[in-house]
Amino acid sequence: QKEVEQDPGPLSVPEGAIVSLNCTYSNSAFQYFMWYRQYSRKGPELLMYTYSSGNKEDGRFTAQVDKSSKYISLFIRDSQPSDSATYLCAVAGGGNKLTFGTGTQLKVEL
Amino acid sequence: KAGVTQTPRYLIKTRGQQVTLSCSPISGHRSVSWYQQTPGQGLQFLFEYFSETQRNKGNFPGRFSGRQFSNSRSEMNVSTLELGDSALYLCASSLRTAGDDTQYFGPGTRLTVL
Repeated sequence: QKEVEQDPGPLSVPEGAIVSLNCTYSNSAFQYFMWYRQYSRKGPELLMYTYSSGNKEDGRFTAQVDKSSKYISLFIRDSQPSDSATYLCAVAGGGNKLTFGTGTQLKVEL
Repeated sequence: KAGVTQTPRYLIKTRGQQVTLSCSPISGHRSVSWYQQTPGQGLQFLFEYFSETQRNKGNFPGRFSGRQFSNSRSEMNVSTLELGDSALYLCASSLRTAGDDTQYFGPGTRLTVL
């Protein structure tokens, strides 16, 4: 069983839709949670970083962490075609070793 | 402020050869981590260097090695290349302080092994 599970998609939504991306993790030692966005042929770009249960909002993006269920989510409101990318969740237990999900490929269509 | 830079961006090698990849972190960042990204396995942690010392290591064979210089630039070496080493190799830098260990990724080096 992988330490971080993520639905690979692909996920296709119309412009303006609310997108929900999810990951589960197995090790309760993970205390830091991140979402990265990766465009084709580019390196991952950090979107959200949190270390506590609850919600964290940044513009159209909301990260949600439920440590009791070992479940993390990213919500994108008013999705745009420019949001089309692969979204990667990542977890860490301290130190700089990130464990990534496999990534969800998102396409936002006009 | 310049981001993380990686050279070269693309490489083609044949089986059995060795390769060296380079990473220059964001100015002021002292930690450099390396990751391998493949379609099948996703992003996997290789190792981290901080203050010229390897601080953490992933589950990769000894053919994968690295080092860090006093200016925080890092190199990664893969010896005796195998077809399965074809991947995007990413490095990430961070301040690695108590208040900030956010990792910022470079664009990667795409290695193709023939």
